[in-house]
Amino acid sequence: DAGVTQSPTHLIKTRGQHVTLRCSPISGHKSVSWYQQVLGQGPQFIFQYYEKEERGRGNFPDRFSARQFPNYSSELNVNALLLGDSALYLCASSLQGWGGDQPQHFGDGTRLSIL
Amino acid sequence: DQQVKQNSPSLSVQEGRISILNCDYTNSMFDYFLWYKKYPAEGPTFLISISSIKDKNEDGRFTVFLNKSAKHLSLHIVPSQPGDSAVYFCAASSSSTDKLIFGTGTRLQVFP
Repeated sequence: DAGVTQSPTHLIKTRGQHVTLRCSPISGHKSVSWYQQVLGQGPQFIFQYYEKEERGRGNFPDRFSARQFPNYSSELNVNALLLGDSALYLCASSLQGWGGDQPQHFGDGTRLSIL
Repeated sequence: DQQVKQNSPSLSVQEGRISILNCDYTNSMFDYFLWYKKYPAEGPTFLISISSIKDKNEDGRFTVFLNKSAKHLSLHIVPSQPGDSAVYFCAASSSSTDKLIFGTGTRLQVFP
Protein backbone atom coordinates (compact mmCIF):
# COMPACT_ATOMS: atom_id res chain seq x y z
CA ASP A 1 0.00 0.00 0.00
CA ALA A 2 1.18 3.50 -0.78
CA GLY A 3 2.21 5.62 2.14
CA VAL A 4 1.66 9.34 2.59
CA THR A 5 2.76 11.13 -0.55
CA GLN A 6 3.76 14.78 -0.75
CA SER A 7 4.50 17.03 -3.67
CA PRO A 8 6.68 18.67 -4.68
CA THR A 9 9.73 17.23 -2.93
CA HIS A 10 11.72 20.45 -3.25
CA LEU A 11 10.70 24.03 -3.94
CA ILE A 12 12.56 27.32 -4.19
CA LYS A 13 10.66 30.59 -3.80
CA THR A 14 11.50 34.23 -3.17
CA ARG A 15 10.27 36.46 -0.38
CA GLY A 16 6.71 37.67 -0.81
CA GLN A 17 5.63 34.83 -3.08
CA HIS A 18 2.92 32.30 -2.37
CA VAL A 19 3.31 28.51 -2.21
CA THR A 20 0.95 25.51 -2.24
CA LEU A 21 2.05 22.15 -0.91
CA ARG A 22 0.09 18.96 -1.50
CA CYS A 23 -0.47 15.77 0.44
CA SER A 24 -2.24 12.49 -0.24
CA PRO A 25 -2.93 10.41 2.87
CA ILE A 26 -2.73 6.66 3.23
CA SER A 27 -5.82 5.04 1.72
CA GLY A 28 -8.57 4.92 4.30
CA HIS A 29 -7.06 7.62 6.52
CA LYS A 30 -9.41 10.52 7.16
CA SER A 31 -7.17 12.79 9.19
CA VAL A 32 -4.34 14.89 7.78
CA SER A 33 -1.95 17.02 9.80
CA TRP A 34 0.77 19.43 8.72
CA TYR A 35 4.04 20.10 10.51
CA GLN A 36 6.96 22.45 9.95
CA GLN A 37 10.47 21.27 10.80
CA VAL A 38 13.36 23.72 10.85
CA LEU A 39 16.94 22.54 11.09
CA GLY A 40 17.88 21.21 14.50
CA GLN A 41 14.33 21.19 15.84
CA GLY A 42 11.50 18.72 16.08
CA PRO A 43 8.43 19.09 13.86
CA GLN A 44 6.03 21.86 14.91
CA PHE A 45 2.28 21.33 14.50
CA ILE A 46 0.57 23.66 12.03
CA PHE A 47 -2.89 22.22 11.26
CA GLN A 48 -5.05 19.14 11.60
CA TYR A 49 -8.00 18.39 9.32
CA TYR A 50 -10.49 15.60 9.79
CA GLU A 51 -13.41 14.95 7.46
CA LYS A 52 -12.67 18.28 5.75
CA GLU A 53 -13.04 20.25 8.98
CA GLU A 54 -10.21 22.02 10.77
CA ARG A 55 -9.71 20.26 14.08
CA GLY A 56 -6.63 22.00 15.36
CA ARG A 57 -4.32 24.87 14.62
CA GLY A 58 -0.83 25.53 15.93
CA ASN A 59 0.84 28.84 16.71
CA PHE A 60 1.38 30.00 13.14
CA PRO A 61 0.36 33.32 11.53
CA ASP A 62 -2.68 33.73 9.29
CA ARG A 63 -0.39 33.58 6.26
CA PHE A 64 -0.65 29.83 6.73
CA SER A 65 -3.87 28.15 5.63
CA ALA A 66 -4.95 24.67 4.64
CA ARG A 67 -7.88 22.68 3.42
CA GLN A 68 -8.91 19.08 2.97
CA PHE A 69 -10.74 17.75 -0.05
CA PRO A 70 -13.54 15.13 -0.30
CA ASN A 71 -10.94 12.48 -1.19
CA TYR A 72 -9.09 13.41 2.05
CA SER A 73 -6.08 14.87 0.27
CA SER A 74 -4.92 18.21 1.58
CA GLU A 75 -3.19 21.43 0.60
CA LEU A 76 -1.10 23.76 2.73
CA ASN A 77 -0.89 27.34 1.50
CA VAL A 78 1.56 29.94 2.68
CA ASN A 79 1.26 33.57 1.56
CA ALA A 80 3.77 36.42 1.66
CA LEU A 81 6.71 34.09 2.18
CA LEU A 82 9.45 35.10 4.60
CA LEU A 83 13.00 33.84 4.88
CA GLY A 84 12.01 32.17 8.14
CA ASP A 85 9.51 29.97 6.31
CA SER A 86 12.40 27.95 4.91
CA ALA A 87 11.87 24.49 6.37
CA LEU A 88 10.83 20.92 5.75
CA TYR A 89 7.04 20.69 5.63
CA LEU A 90 5.69 17.33 6.69
CA CYS A 91 2.27 15.87 6.17
CA ALA A 92 0.95 13.05 8.35
CA SER A 93 -2.21 10.98 8.18
CA SER A 94 -4.09 8.80 10.62
CA LEU A 95 -7.26 6.73 10.62
CA GLN A 96 -9.50 8.55 13.03
CA GLY A 97 -7.75 11.76 14.04
CA TRP A 98 -7.14 11.11 17.69
CA GLY A 99 -5.51 8.69 20.05
CA GLY A 100 -1.93 7.48 20.11
CA ASP A 101 -3.07 3.89 19.51
CA GLN A 102 -3.71 4.96 15.92
CA PRO A 103 -0.42 6.75 15.26
CA GLN A 104 0.20 9.24 12.53
CA HIS A 105 2.26 8.20 9.54
CA PHE A 106 4.41 10.79 7.84
CA GLY A 107 5.33 11.55 4.28
CA ASP A 108 8.89 12.41 3.26
CA GLY A 109 8.12 16.12 3.24
CA THR A 110 8.55 19.11 0.98
CA ARG A 111 11.80 21.03 1.39
CA LEU A 112 10.95 24.72 0.93
CA SER A 113 13.77 27.21 0.47
CA ILE A 114 13.12 30.96 0.45
CA LEU A 115 15.67 33.23 -1.23
CA ASP B 1 7.72 26.72 26.45
CA GLN B 2 9.20 23.36 25.52
CA GLN B 3 6.67 20.80 26.73
CA VAL B 4 8.67 17.80 25.50
CA LYS B 5 12.42 17.76 26.04
CA GLN B 6 15.19 15.52 24.82
CA ASN B 7 18.24 16.77 26.65
CA SER B 8 20.79 14.60 24.88
CA PRO B 9 21.38 15.81 21.32
CA SER B 10 23.50 12.78 20.49
CA LEU B 11 24.33 9.27 21.66
CA SER B 12 26.97 6.84 20.45
CA VAL B 13 26.65 3.11 21.18
CA GLN B 14 28.53 0.03 20.13
CA GLU B 15 26.73 -2.56 18.00
CA GLY B 16 25.10 -5.25 20.13
CA ARG B 17 24.89 -3.07 23.25
CA ILE B 18 21.81 -1.32 24.63
CA SER B 19 20.79 2.17 23.48
CA ILE B 20 18.78 4.23 25.94
CA LEU B 21 17.14 7.43 24.75
CA ASN B 22 15.47 9.70 27.24
CA CYS B 23 12.60 12.17 27.13
CA ASP B 24 10.98 14.46 29.70
CA TYR B 25 7.64 16.24 29.52
CA THR B 26 5.91 18.92 31.52
CA ASN B 27 2.21 18.63 30.62
CA SER B 28 0.38 16.08 32.77
CA MET B 29 -2.56 16.13 30.32
CA PHE B 30 -0.70 14.08 27.73
CA ASP B 31 -2.34 10.67 27.17
CA TYR B 32 -0.01 9.09 24.66
CA PHE B 33 3.70 9.11 24.05
CA LEU B 34 5.31 8.06 20.81
CA TRP B 35 8.77 7.52 19.41
CA TYR B 36 9.64 8.22 15.80
CA LYS B 37 12.85 7.52 13.93
CA LYS B 38 14.05 9.78 11.14
CA TYR B 39 16.65 9.13 8.46
CA PRO B 40 18.00 12.01 6.35
CA ALA B 41 15.75 12.96 3.44
CA GLU B 42 12.88 10.84 4.79
CA GLY B 43 9.89 11.58 6.95
CA PRO B 44 9.65 10.36 10.55
CA THR B 45 8.79 6.67 10.87
CA PHE B 46 6.60 5.52 13.76
CA LEU B 47 8.41 3.10 16.08
CA ILE B 48 6.42 2.49 19.23
CA SER B 49 3.93 4.20 21.51
CA ILE B 50 2.66 3.94 25.05
CA SER B 51 -0.55 5.00 26.71
CA SER B 52 -0.40 6.94 29.97
CA ILE B 53 -2.19 4.06 31.72
CA LYS B 54 0.76 1.75 31.11
CA ASP B 55 4.35 1.84 32.28
CA LYS B 56 5.93 -0.40 29.68
CA ASN B 57 5.36 -1.40 26.07
CA GLU B 58 7.56 -3.77 24.12
CA ASP B 59 7.87 -4.47 20.41
CA GLY B 60 10.75 -6.67 19.35
CA ARG B 61 14.03 -4.92 20.08
CA PHE B 62 12.25 -1.74 21.19
CA THR B 63 10.84 -1.12 24.65
CA VAL B 64 9.39 2.13 25.94
CA PHE B 65 9.16 2.84 29.67
CA LEU B 66 6.95 5.52 31.17
CA ASN B 67 7.39 7.03 34.63
CA LYS B 68 4.40 9.32 35.11
CA SER B 69 5.42 10.58 38.53
CA ALA B 70 8.73 11.77 37.11
CA LYS B 71 7.18 12.81 33.77
CA HIS B 72 9.87 10.81 32.06
CA LEU B 73 9.97 8.19 29.35
CA SER B 74 12.76 6.25 27.75
CA LEU B 75 13.28 4.10 24.69
CA HIS B 76 15.50 1.04 24.97
CA ILE B 77 16.92 -0.63 21.89
CA VAL B 78 18.44 -4.05 22.48
CA PRO B 79 20.59 -5.14 20.76
CA SER B 80 21.56 -2.01 18.87
CA GLN B 81 22.33 -2.39 15.17
CA PRO B 82 24.11 -0.07 12.72
CA GLY B 83 20.81 0.37 10.86
CA ASP B 84 19.40 1.99 14.00
CA SER B 85 21.62 5.02 13.41
CA ALA B 86 19.16 7.87 12.93
CA VAL B 87 17.55 10.79 14.75
CA TYR B 88 14.96 9.70 17.31
CA PHE B 89 12.09 11.98 18.25
CA CYS B 90 9.93 11.67 21.31
CA ALA B 91 6.39 13.02 20.90
CA ALA B 92 3.32 13.42 23.07
CA SER B 93 -0.37 13.93 22.44
CA SER B 94 -3.73 13.97 24.17
CA SER B 95 -6.43 11.45 23.24
CA SER B 96 -8.71 14.10 21.74
CA THR B 97 -6.44 15.25 18.95
CA ASP B 98 -3.76 14.21 16.51
CA LYS B 99 -1.61 17.19 17.50
CA LEU B 100 1.84 15.88 18.36
CA ILE B 101 4.29 17.84 20.46
CA PHE B 102 7.80 16.79 19.53
CA GLY B 103 11.10 16.98 21.34
CA THR B 104 14.19 18.27 19.56
CA GLY B 105 15.52 14.80 18.80
CA THR B 106 18.51 12.66 19.73
CA ARG B 107 20.97 11.54 17.08
CA LEU B 108 21.90 7.90 17.68
CA GLN B 109 25.02 6.47 16.13
CA VAL B 110 25.65 2.74 16.39
CA PHE B 111 29.22 1.82 15.53
CA PRO B 112 30.65 -1.67 14.82
